[in-house]
Amino acid sequence: GAVVSQHPSWVICKSGTSVKIECRSLDFQATTMFWYRQFPKQSLMLMATSNEGSKATYEQGVEKDKFLINHASLTLSTLTVTSAHPEDSSFYICSARESFSNEKLFFGSGTQLSVL
Amino acid sequence: QQQVKQSPQSLIVQKGGISIINCAYENTAFDYFPWYQQFPGKGPALLIAIRPDVSEKKEGRFTISFNKSAKQFSLHIMDSQPGDSATYFCAASMSSGANSKLTFGKGITLSVRP
Repeated sequence: GAVVSQHPSWVICKSGTSVKIECRSLDFQATTMFWYRQFPKQSLMLMATSNEGSKATYEQGVEKDKFLINHASLTLSTLTVTSAHPEDSSFYICSARESFSNEKLFFGSGTQLSVL
Repeated sequence: QQQVKQSPQSLIVQKGGISIINCAYENTAFDYFPWYQQFPGKGPALLIAIRPDVSEKKEGRFTISFNKSAKQFSLHIMDSQPGDSATYFCAASMSSGANSKLTFGKGITLSVRP
């Protein structure tokens, strides 16, 4: 199957700093990428959807100024958690879809963010 | 309103047994139903998926059964192995459209005892 690489796999930062997470589709061009957040032993919560070259669409309740998403190319999307606070600590996962007509979603390996 | 409901919440199966996980959905517009497997600290991996035009799909030890009238689908894992111990999520989506997005169930934890 298609490979989605997510980096870093874990990050620890101080409160007030910003953290950038990268998501790359390695062997296909991803027209659409999705960003999820997952708390321990819970399901995946969709944060936002991004299409290459356009602004991300955020789910209700997700602060777009807090979670900045950039999808500048067909193989790279980034999520920046700005001015991180302990309540932002979570497991963040990206996924990518090859085309509008292909419903298969491939997930990255996730990033564990811990904000001290 | 939870659009995709999984049951049971957790499951313990002996090695070699059959693991059965059920999923019910609300939205009749859903037409793509995947199952994902997730190990701790990792992202979900697509296991198997089905569309409503078939009632069953098998890939190796994994089988999806689909009941359109009941709005239910299930995952069967034959000859369950300890390595199958993981969290399993069912999901559903409308497959067409630029932003069609998956709605996930809450997930169930499967433990396969040796």
